[in-house]
Order: sequence, then structure tokens, then C-alpha cells
Amino acid sequence: QVHLVESGGGVVQPGRSLRLSCAVSGFFFNNFGMHWVRQAPGKGLEWVAILSYDGSKKYYTDSVKGRFTISRDNSKNTVYLQMNSLRVDDTAMYYCAKARGVLWFESSLSPDYWGQGTLVTVSS
Amino acid sequence: QSALTQPRSVSGSPGQSVTISCTGSSSDVDGYDYVSWFQQYPGKAPKVMIYDVSKRPSGVPDRFSGSKSGDTASLTISGLQTEDEAEYYCCSYAGSYSFVFGTGTKVTVL
Repeated sequence: QVHLVESGGGVVQPGRSLRLSCAVSGFFFNNFGMHWVRQAPGKGLEWVAILSYDGSKKYYTDSVKGRFTISRDNSKNTVYLQMNSLRVDDTAMYYCAKARGVLWFESSLSPDYWGQGTLVTVSS
Repeated sequence: QSALTQPRSVSGSPGQSVTISCTGSSSDVDGYDYVSWFQQYPGKAPKVMIYDVSKRPSGVPDRFSGSKSGDTASLTISGLQTEDEAEYYCCSYAGSYSFVFGTGTKVTVL
């Protein structure tokens, strides 16, 4: 079955960097776009970024543009989120999620399966 | 992109029906038929319950249903059960390959 496992979270000082990973199994990774979604403690879900199945198209929410980079390695069935210039308000549980449909169509990009998340705490 | 508006909480007795609204704008909910609903238990990952406004993934009970009218999408849980007590979030495509989530609704089974 579909399985996603995030890693790489931790405690980091403001201004520093962190790279999150999400290893997947149970589906043909090369055919699906991938999302990162975050949830601050006690708050709601916030969409962060999406990456196309081939890594050529990347889109971000405004608050992370220029600081975060989403990427993937299809040979390792893994998607990454490089987070630079971290701020206190980036503190959250970060989830990766699979896009619902294959390839890259607006009609099939909604997230469906999610991992259990990895916690990022930005604090001095 | 502003979060979609949901009521903070709804409640009902076992067997009753509850409906959660999700209000957006012409840029998201009213502009596309790509609204999903997610169920989240405390400390757990979200699970998709509805996608594309009203489609149910396999394995999701048919007492969960979705609809949309204009800028407001709705999730209805019929025949409420104790295990339905959770947080529910709507999510809409917002154009230009971006997405927006709702503020979340706590469903309480009395």
C-alpha cells in the first residue's frame, strides 16, 4: 500500500537551514506530483509547495518563496524540502503528500495520501 | 491566498447528520471543482474523505458526502458515529498550481 515517511526535522535557530526528506513506496513515484503541507502547533493546515512528477515544475506559497526549494530524486523515490533562512513562524509539523492523479493535470493535483509528518522547531 | 472559512465547531448526537461549510471565493472554491475534504485525528496525518467536490475514495463510508454551491462547499456526515469525532479541513485548488486549506472544523459527537 501507499506509504510516505518524512524525516529531517529538528530544532534549528532562526536564519539557519534544514532539509526535509520524504521517502515513498507503494506507488510508481515517477508518475506523481508531490506536495509539502505544514501545520503550526494547534493551528490549521497550510499548503507549502508542489512539484511535478518530473521535477520540472515547482510552485510555492508566497511566504516561503525564495527561501524554500522543493526537489525530488526519482531514483530514490524521495522528495525533499530545502528550507533556508528559517523564521520562528516556520515552526510546524511538515507533511509530504502525494498528488491524486498521474502526470500534471490541474484536475488531478489535489493531495491524497499523506505521511505522518516531521516536526520543525525554529527557536533561538 | 486567504484560508477558506469553516465554522470552528459543529456537533451532533449519534445517528444525526451534521454539515460543515467551507466558504471561499471566485479564485478558488467557486472557480474550480477541485475541492477535497480531510479528516484529522489529534496527532495523526490527514486522511482524504472527499475529492473533486463529491467523489468518495474507496474505503470511505458512504455516509460522508460532499457538495458545492457557488463559493461554498459542504461536507455532510449522515448517521454520525463516535469515530467521526475529529477535525475536518476543506482544501481547494486556487489556480496557478496552488492550493488553499480551510480553517478547520472540530466535529463533536455528543
